[in-house]
Amino acid sequence: GESVGLHLPTLSVQEGDNSIINCAYSNSASDYFIWYKQESGKGPQFIIDIRSNMDKRQGQRVTVLLNKTVKHLSLQIAATQPGDSAVYFCAENWGRRDKIIFGKGTRLHILP
Amino acid sequence: EPEVTQTPSHQVTQMGQEVILHCVPISNHLYFYWYRQILGQKVEFLVSFYNNEISEKSEIFDDQFSVERPDGSNFTLKIRSTKLEDSAMYFCASSERGTSADTQYFGPGTRLTVL
Repeated sequence: GESVGLHLPTLSVQEGDNSIINCAYSNSASDYFIWYKQESGKGPQFIIDIRSNMDKRQGQRVTVLLNKTVKHLSLQIAATQPGDSAVYFCAENWGRRDKIIFGKGTRLHILP
Repeated sequence: EPEVTQTPSHQVTQMGQEVILHCVPISNHLYFYWYRQILGQKVEFLVSFYNNEISEKSEIFDDQFSVERPDGSNFTLKIRSTKLEDSAMYFCASSERGTSADTQYFGPGTRLTVL
């Protein structure tokens, strides 16, 4: 069925350290994955995406890794900053469907 | 940078009343969406809209919900008779194309409170 979920509801990271946020998905037909960041009181903000024919994609300070064998997705944030505090959602899309299926979210806390 | 805008930011209504939530998508985008997020929960797809028609809707989007593009810039979500469980954040989104791998850009949301 449609199911995109996250392993941990909350992650606390020291400022300057790297953050790794994990996500598992269940639909093997999923071919496109997205990470969104949601700050308090705001809408989801696109961070980075990856297609199923890729294993890794890098952006500015962020990297997404996709392991199709175990249906696992991760978001790595380098040198975490206070502005990275937010809830992070993984999401999926497949085929020609135009709706995004969101996971439950991981709240990232940055420790001073 | 172009962005999706939504009004009002907060809407309070009595149960059974009709509400209309307003969105202005990014100007060159052709596909429009509504999502909702109940407090503390994940974002859920409601409906997608293209070429003045609904292209896909979820089981949440029942007969009490409707969408409309009344002019060239606005996109609205109407709830005819609100229920307590309709209380949520409602997000509008838009994209250039409706295919997968097309980035959807979200607005800041409207918080709907049904009393």
